[in-house]
Amino acid sequence: AQSVTQLGSHVSVSEGALVLLRCNYSSSVPPYLFWYVQYPNQGLQLLLKYTSAATLVKGINGFEAEFKKSETSFHLTKPSAHMSDAAEYFCAVSEYQGAQKLVFGQGTRLTINP
Amino acid sequence: GAVVSQHPSWVICKSGTSVKIECRSLDFQATTMFWYRQFPKQSLMLMATSNEGSKATYEQGVEKDKFLINHASLTLSTLTVTSAHPEDSSFYICSARDRRTTDTQYFGPGTRLTVL
Repeated sequence: AQSVTQLGSHVSVSEGALVLLRCNYSSSVPPYLFWYVQYPNQGLQLLLKYTSAATLVKGINGFEAEFKKSETSFHLTKPSAHMSDAAEYFCAVSEYQGAQKLVFGQGTRLTINP
Repeated sequence: GAVVSQHPSWVICKSGTSVKIECRSLDFQATTMFWYRQFPKQSLMLMATSNEGSKATYEQGVEKDKFLINHASLTLSTLTVTSAHPEDSSFYICSARDRRTTDTQYFGPGTRLTVL
């Protein structure tokens, strides 16, 4: 069975600092991996996805993530945090190419300090 | 593009009543829609997969007679919580997969259900 673990339910960084949100996955088949962001009272928005092409994936709003098979990780990073990045972030895994049956991590709340 | 709406955004009902939640893809056709449940400070849990014109596929542990799903058109899926009880109170989120670009799910804003 697939699973996702997000280390740290709450991450706080200063504006302009590096953002690093950790995600480790478990999958018996080559996974498809996703990062979503959820702003208060809004739906989830896709940040980026890994679908077995390049291991370094660039997404929207300056975010990127690197797929590391040896570490079973798909950490999300952004070089310089902005106040507007404050939100809940979810990592998800699917074993199906067609984005079926996403399994989500617990979520990480990102707070940006001025 | 790729906007998914849900209605209502929140609902309060009495125990024993039924509640219907709509999920619409506004600018694309969705052959597949998904229904998730999210408890406070917890992750999203897939409840069922809904395919247009066919019966929904429910995840293990989800009562199909309790959570009725209908996907009558390529832009609309509904979730009906029947005989709701306080333990059904939760945040229900739908998503839709664009039939043209099948590798991404687009999510609705969610519906907060409170059962008194």
